[in-house]
Amino acid sequence: DAGVTQSPTHLIKTRGQQVTLRCSPKSGHDTVSWYQQALGQGPQFIFQYYEEEERQRGNFPDRFSGHQFPNYSSELNVNALLLGDSALYLCASSLAPGTGVETQYFGPGTRLLVL
Amino acid sequence: GESVGLHLPTLSVQEGDNSIINCAYSNSASDYFIWYKQESGKGPQFIIDIRSNMDKRQGQRVTVLLNKTVKHLSLQIAATQPGDSAVYFCAENKNDYKLSFGAGTTVTVRA
Repeated sequence: DAGVTQSPTHLIKTRGQQVTLRCSPKSGHDTVSWYQQALGQGPQFIFQYYEEEERQRGNFPDRFSGHQFPNYSSELNVNALLLGDSALYLCASSLAPGTGVETQYFGPGTRLLVL
Repeated sequence: GESVGLHLPTLSVQEGDNSIINCAYSNSASDYFIWYKQESGKGPQFIIDIRSNMDKRQGQRVTVLLNKTVKHLSLQIAATQPGDSAVYFCAENKNDYKLSFGAGTTVTVRA
């Protein structure tokens, strides 16, 4: 049973650039959530995708956008990178809202460094 | 805003002893709570969860207790092992399918 996978594992960008991070959910899951984890902090919710639409969004600017594909995989895009965007970006997958099973399983994350 | 927090940022425990990690939450509307373990360089790993209609739930070597009266959550680890060294997060789900995390407690197991 494949777990949540993310790519790339590490990434270095410069200020102003754009980045795309990718996530494949756990087998059988159709909902993907993205979180940002700064060093020494707990993960912060960015947004959640279900049925290829953004369903929930946290307190993040429009520079953060996403997409979900028909195979349930997802991308996180960040435009106009700032130094403060340096963090571990985590993807979590789960069953659809309303199933009564909300458990979210996390991938290993993508470590983004903005210089 | 409302958030989940942990009482102590660090916990040092002797190998073989029991560990207790505490968490306070402020949103009485939260109905689902989860404990995650995060090792260095890895994503959070699900440990155990509990719904608000329960007071206690047990897993393998772990027990989660929920006290809704004082909005307190705890994770008990029996016979702590070196592999239990990690950062532990409690998270709450307010029926909107987004998790709110506390800052975490770093557990160090002494040999």
